[in-house]
Amino acid sequence: DQQVKQNSPSLSVQEGRISILNCDYTNSMFDYFLWYKKYPAEGPTFLISISSIKDKNEDGRFTVFLNKSAKHLSLHIVPSQPGDSAVYFCAASGNQAGTALIFGKGTTLSVSS
Amino acid sequence: DTAVSQTPKYLVTQMGNDKSIKCEQNLGHDTMYWYKQDSKKFLKIMFSYNNKELIINETVPNRFSPKSPDKAHLNLHINSLELGDSAVYFCASSSHRGKAPGFRELFFGEGSRLTVL
Repeated sequence: DQQVKQNSPSLSVQEGRISILNCDYTNSMFDYFLWYKKYPAEGPTFLISISSIKDKNEDGRFTVFLNKSAKHLSLHIVPSQPGDSAVYFCAASGNQAGTALIFGKGTTLSVSS
Repeated sequence: DTAVSQTPKYLVTQMGNDKSIKCEQNLGHDTMYWYKQDSKKFLKIMFSYNNKELIINETVPNRFSPKSPDKAHLNLHINSLELGDSAVYFCASSSHRGKAPGFRELFFGEGSRLTVL
């Protein structure tokens, strides 16, 4: 049973345009949502997060939007750059002790120049 | 200086063998994890240790046994390897000190690709 879903396995965008990666979740107890970026043969690295009490968090070219009623979040990258080409994982965690970060399946972003 | 390091990076072995993957973090974190990324690309939690105590143990076969000799190390030992164990295993660490209870920023190692023939 997938608690965190990324329904688009891949996304192709031209350099300079906006990339929008989507994520849905089912567990209303999730408190924090994180986006991770992964290059081939490397481990995932933290990109940006958002608390469930916010609806937007921005860090440079990256913005995460959270819609709690729809149980949906999205990552916007503007402008997209070729170096952004990677797999992006959405992840979520609850505030109960002993719970782990639950990951989605990932979306492969390709940014062409 | 690598923050979370795993060895070996690649491991090819026969069915039925026993193997170990080692993980070390130099970030001073209090919690360490093992995740498995299978052929379907899901990153699934297997185990988590906090200050050398097992706090998460997902539905993982008994053939998998984590060992944490100290806060900086979390090793994974796998007995009687099966074909389905082929995957990339990621070690990660995080710190809960001064953080909100639900916030878990994990720092990952590069992964150990295990191939069982």
